[in-house]
Amino acid sequence: AQSVTQLGSHVSVSEGALVLLRCNYSSSVPPYLFWYVQYPNQGLQLLLKYTSAATLVKGINGFEAEFKKSETSFHLTKPSAHMSDAAEYFCAVEDTGGFKTIFGAGTRLFVKA
Amino acid sequence: NAGVTQTPKFQVLKTGQSMTLQCAQDMNHNSMYWYRQDPGMGLRLIYYSASEGTTDKGEVPNGYNVSRLNKREFSLRLESAAPSQTSVYFCASSSGTGLGYGYTFGSGTRLTVV
Repeated sequence: AQSVTQLGSHVSVSEGALVLLRCNYSSSVPPYLFWYVQYPNQGLQLLLKYTSAATLVKGINGFEAEFKKSETSFHLTKPSAHMSDAAEYFCAVEDTGGFKTIFGAGTRLFVKA
Repeated sequence: NAGVTQTPKFQVLKTGQSMTLQCAQDMNHNSMYWYRQDPGMGLRLIYYSASEGTTDKGEVPNGYNVSRLNKREFSLRLESAAPSQTSVYFCASSSGTGLGYGYTFGSGTRLTVV
């Protein structure tokens, strides 16, 4: 069964520092992978997705993620954090041909001034 | 373009009461989903509808029922609310399932059962 593990329920960075949010997946076949962002009291918004076209995926707001099959990872990065990046981030996996997307538990990002 | 609209945004129920959460999308999406979000547990799928006229159970369907009224609307019903159903409920839609489209989410319904 597919699963998603996000390492770290909370991550704190200083403004201008590198953001790294970790995600590992378990799937029997190469999956579709997603990162979503949730701002307080809002729904989730798609940040970026991997669909096998390219291993390095660029998303909105300067975020990007790299698919590494050998490590079964899909970590989210941003070179320089901004205060507005403070939110909760969810990694998700969808099996090709499947009917469900499985979400990780989420990582809350705090950005310090 | 509204996207996915959920009503109500907030609701307080007494144990044993019933209610229906409404969801509508205006993007001509085929697939619709209901998730619940609880602290530290991410999102868990309650029910989904891969296409108009079909519904299937997800990970946590007990205590819930759904209706895909038409292509636009997908409602979630709690027949006899329990405190364990206190949660934030999200409706989502997608162009299709298993194709890597990703979801568009509504803004959520915060439900408290006392």
